[in-house]
Amino acid sequence: KAGVTQTPRYLIKTRGQQVTLSCSPISGHRSVSWYQQTPGQGLQFLFEYFSETQRNKGNFPGRFSGRQFSNSRSEMNVSTLELGDSALYLCASTSTGSSTDTQYFGPGTRLTVL
Amino acid sequence: GENVEQHPSTLSVQEGDSAVIKCTYSDSASNYFPWYKQELGKGPQLIIDIRSNVGEKKDQRIAVTLNKTAKHFSLHITETQPEDSAVYFCAASRSDYKLSFGAGTTVTVRA
Repeated sequence: KAGVTQTPRYLIKTRGQQVTLSCSPISGHRSVSWYQQTPGQGLQFLFEYFSETQRNKGNFPGRFSGRQFSNSRSEMNVSTLELGDSALYLCASTSTGSSTDTQYFGPGTRLTVL
Repeated sequence: GENVEQHPSTLSVQEGDSAVIKCTYSDSASNYFPWYKQELGKGPQLIIDIRSNVGEKKDQRIAVTLNKTAKHFSLHITETQPEDSAVYFCAASRSDYKLSFGAGTTVTVRA
């Protein structure tokens, strides 16, 4: 069974631009979560989607948004990029969407903002 | 919200020795505690997890213990091997669909 896939793997943008990252969960998984990983702040929760509904959101500004499609694929968007948005963005999927289900992570998208 | 503290931040062990990483959490409602291993250029990979109704769990050379009263849990790796070198993260979750992570421990196994 294929794992979680994320595209693109690497991205370079300039301040003020916007970016869209994509995540395809493991086949059959209906829950997708997004995390931001930086050396200073570690792994921080962005949001979680299940059956196209956002069930929880972390403490990030409104420039960070996401959505989930009917096939469970998810996208996250960051508008008006800032230097501090440079990070590894990880998505994870779970099968049933239970809060105690194993989360399987993808390899991440490395975003660099210049 | 949940706050997870992880110690030590770095750990160097001789091959064959044991490694222990400790985490504490603040939210008594947390009921799920996974441990992840992250290698360079990869996403975190689950290595073991424990739920609040269990005190200890083992999987070959890896074990996790949970003390709900003290709100701390630990990862034990025995007979360490060079391939155990990586960054390890503990995490905690209550029933809110998100994981709160510790800051990570960089483990180096010396041959």
